[in-house]
Amino acid sequence: DAKTTQPTSMDCAEGRAANLPCNHSTISGNEYVYWYRQIHSQGPQYIIHGLKNNETNEMASLIITEDRKSSTLILPHATLRDTAVYYCIVRVAMKTSYDKVIFGPGTSLSVIP
Amino acid sequence: AAGVIQSPRHLIKEKRETATLKCYPIPRHDTVYWYQQGPGQDPQFLISFYEKMQSDKGSIPDRFSAQQFSDYHSELNMSSLELGDSALYFCASSLESFLAGRASYEQYFGPGTRLTVT
Repeated sequence: DAKTTQPTSMDCAEGRAANLPCNHSTISGNEYVYWYRQIHSQGPQYIIHGLKNNETNEMASLIITEDRKSSTLILPHATLRDTAVYYCIVRVAMKTSYDKVIFGPGTSLSVIP
Repeated sequence: AAGVIQSPRHLIKEKRETATLKCYPIPRHDTVYWYQQGPGQDPQFLISFYEKMQSDKGSIPDRFSAQQFSDYHSELNMSSLELGDSALYFCASSLESFLAGRASYEQYFGPGTRLTVT
């Protein structure tokens, strides 16, 4: 799986949009970008994933650059409950030995009142 | 919606004892994964099962074993426990499915079992 690079930490004011960047310059054509988050001591939570088109769901939006070398996770209206470590992961989405999620150093997002 | 269930949620054992952690995947999910998260660390993949067969293996000690049963629940057996085994153990499940022509392999994690070895 391709390696990703994320900021170690970020702050965001409550109610504002949180934009979390991720660099994945070595991503392969068949690799998806996945985002998970982990609120302190809870199980990681799937947020969103995409291949090359921008994606949106009830939790967040995912913006992938045209060259697919970077992406941004957007939480449109951050709340205190969004304080968590956010992991950007690239992986092949098919039933192979690459199914496991490899968690690397993510971004610790602090939402501030 | 039903989620992944793990039991027990907390477990305290002494060194050299054994422990068994259980995981009940989301109904109809066919794949189970186990992860270990030590204090201040990111979750690390241990082992996975697809349709009751081991599908992948990570940094799982030889003292640990796991299996997936006919009802798809899974158990992680840990023997000769060491202080360093103290950690959060997460189970995740997924379903190989295609939704509107797109593959969907997101994993859904349980709340974890906190194992403390004294």
